[in-house]
Parts: sequence; structure tokens; C-alpha cells
Amino acid sequence: GAGVSQTPSNKVTEKGKYVELRCDPISGHTALYWYRQSLGQGPEFLIYFQGTGAADDSGLPNDRFFAVRPEGSVSTLKIQRTERGDSAVYLCASSSGQQNSPLHFGNGTRLTVT
Amino acid sequence: AQSVTQLGSHVSVSEGALVLLRCNYSSSVPPYLFWYVQYPNQGLQLLLKYTTGATLVKGINGFEAEFKKSETSFHLTKPSAHMSDAAEYFCAVSENTNAGKSTFGDGTTLTVKP
Repeated sequence: GAGVSQTPSNKVTEKGKYVELRCDPISGHTALYWYRQSLGQGPEFLIYFQGTGAADDSGLPNDRFFAVRPEGSVSTLKIQRTERGDSAVYLCASSSGQQNSPLHFGNGTRLTVT
Repeated sequence: AQSVTQLGSHVSVSEGALVLLRCNYSSSVPPYLFWYVQYPNQGLQLLLKYTTGATLVKGINGFEAEFKKSETSFHLTKPSAHMSDAAEYFCAVSENTNAGKSTFGDGTTLTVKP
């Protein structure tokens, strides 16, 4: 079946602009995660949704970052007033939500802020 | 708080040689441990995981890892490297309350020489 889909695959934006990154999880997966991977580093947790609600947003770096999942499926990560330091690959992952269920990652969106 | 240290950002082996990628973790609670592989231009893929039970865990593509609590280690091994194993490998730790919220190491790039 289809895996986790992230769009766009690449996004270039100017400093100060607003961007939206989209994630389509595997159908039926109730848990959805956003991670950020900077160059030369491992993924860093941002936020976790169980259904429609953000169950844990402790990894969001500041209030310029926000994510929604209004119908419990597709999620959008929103970044306001982008800064050059926001440049990274943004990864989305989903799971069935059971305690030991594995994460299925998308290919990521590479965000470049110029 | 949890952390992961992957010793060696780059490892090079000859085809047919033993692969050993090192991972040490810290966790204040019993951990879940994971190894992921990332091929160029692809998403992270789960290789194997330890949750509870048997400490020697077998994964895909002939890889295995052993959880050693006394050494706080979860090293990844494969008896004989293939050219197709060339990729970046990430070790991750999570709490047993949410396996999807993981702390990742910075990754080890494996090169396989013919």
C-alpha cells in the first residue's frame, strides 16, 4: 500500500516568509509525528498527534512553529516568519498508535530559507 | 531525559567483512531501542527494535543488535557486508510510554568497499 507522503519534496523560501509543509500518513494510522533533521544530525522530535489532537508539542522550538491535523489524517506543519536557521529536512512519520508499533517515515521536505 | 551517542560518524568496511556500528544510550526509564537505515533520497526505514524480552534482536537484511543494560549499549552488527548496505544508520531511544517519540543519534555513514 501507499506509504507516508510528504509534499513538497523541496521548498525554497525567503527569510521572513510563511511556509506550509504537508504530510499524508498511511491510511488508518492514528499516530503522526513531525521531526526535523538538520545537516549532519539525527532527526529531532517536534510534535506528536494522536488522532486530531496534539498530544505532545514539547519539541516545537518556538511559537513560529505550529502544526494541525484537523480530521485526524493529513497534517500540516506551519512555520511563520521563517529564518535561515529553519533550513532542514522536515520528516513526517505515522504509526498505528499501539504501544510497540513502528514508525513509518516519509521521504521528507527539504526546506531552504534564503 | 534521554540521549544517544553513536561512536564514529563514518565507518568503512570491505565487502564480506563484519559490520559493527556502535550505539550507547542513556535513559532514566527502561528504554525502547531502535536502529533505522536511510538510503540516499529515501526515508528512514526501521531495521530492528528492542522493547522487552530477548536481548538479541534480529532485523531485516541480516542485521542484528544486542541490548546490554550493564553497558547501556545497543550495537548493530552484520557478519558479512554487502555493497547494498552502504547507507546512513541511526540509533534511537524512546520511553516505553511512547515508542514513536524518539531521541536519535547523529548517525553513522557506512561505506562498503569492493
